Amino acid sequence: GESVGLHLPTLSVQEGDNSIINCAYSNSASDYFIWYKQESGKGPQFIIDIRSNMDKRQGQRVTVLLNKTVKHLSLQIAATQPGDSAVYFCAENYGGTYKYIFGTGTRLKVLA
Amino acid sequence: DGGITQSPKYLFRKEGQNVTLSCEQNLNHDAMYWYRQDPGQGLRLIYYSQIVNDFQKGDIAEGYSVSREKKESFPLTVTSAQKNPTAFYLCASSIGVSGGDYEQYFGPGTRLTVT
Repeated sequence: GESVGLHLPTLSVQEGDNSIINCAYSNSASDYFIWYKQESGKGPQFIIDIRSNMDKRQGQRVTVLLNKTVKHLSLQIAATQPGDSAVYFCAENYGGTYKYIFGTGTRLKVLA
Repeated sequence: DGGITQSPKYLFRKEGQNVTLSCEQNLNHDAMYWYRQDPGQGLRLIYYSQIVNDFQKGDIAEGYSVSREKKESFPLTVTSAQKNPTAFYLCASSIGVSGGDYEQYFGPGTRLTVT
């Protein structure tokens, strides 16, 4: 498989439990944020996004929370499943430009 | 099926050779991007293109070149001038670059190994 996941922080979660993955973003002026999921050897997949005028956004089994005060983003996955095992990373954007800043990611391992 | 395709999935080259990575999209997106992914690092932008026949350098453009002759295609050439070319290369596209159409869609990636 790909080596991009080496040396990443790992979160191990029991199947069926909830997962919380965190991201500290860098630019206090960033106004758009995305969470991506990347499985081994594959390209990143969009999971959910949030704009800076929101604190929380929910999708199917996922919730993103944004705390602008401390520049923190979190991804909550409900009832974690084996298929959720992957590397998750956040991306931030300012002003709708081409420039995205990507986090290094967290590896999620789901234990059966 | 709409999406972004990259080929090949794995590519092996000898040092000193140029190599071109393919990226095609049928999403009718104006903007396309090339990123490089290395272990323990976030994605780094190599080049981006907002429209056909236009492209701009990203943060790590040295040793790379691109072209954008068609809306659907944005090939990346890794030249012999690139000091550490071995990496996982990701192509992405978005509807536009500004105006609120931010979301980037990624291709499956090409793993380039140079020995």
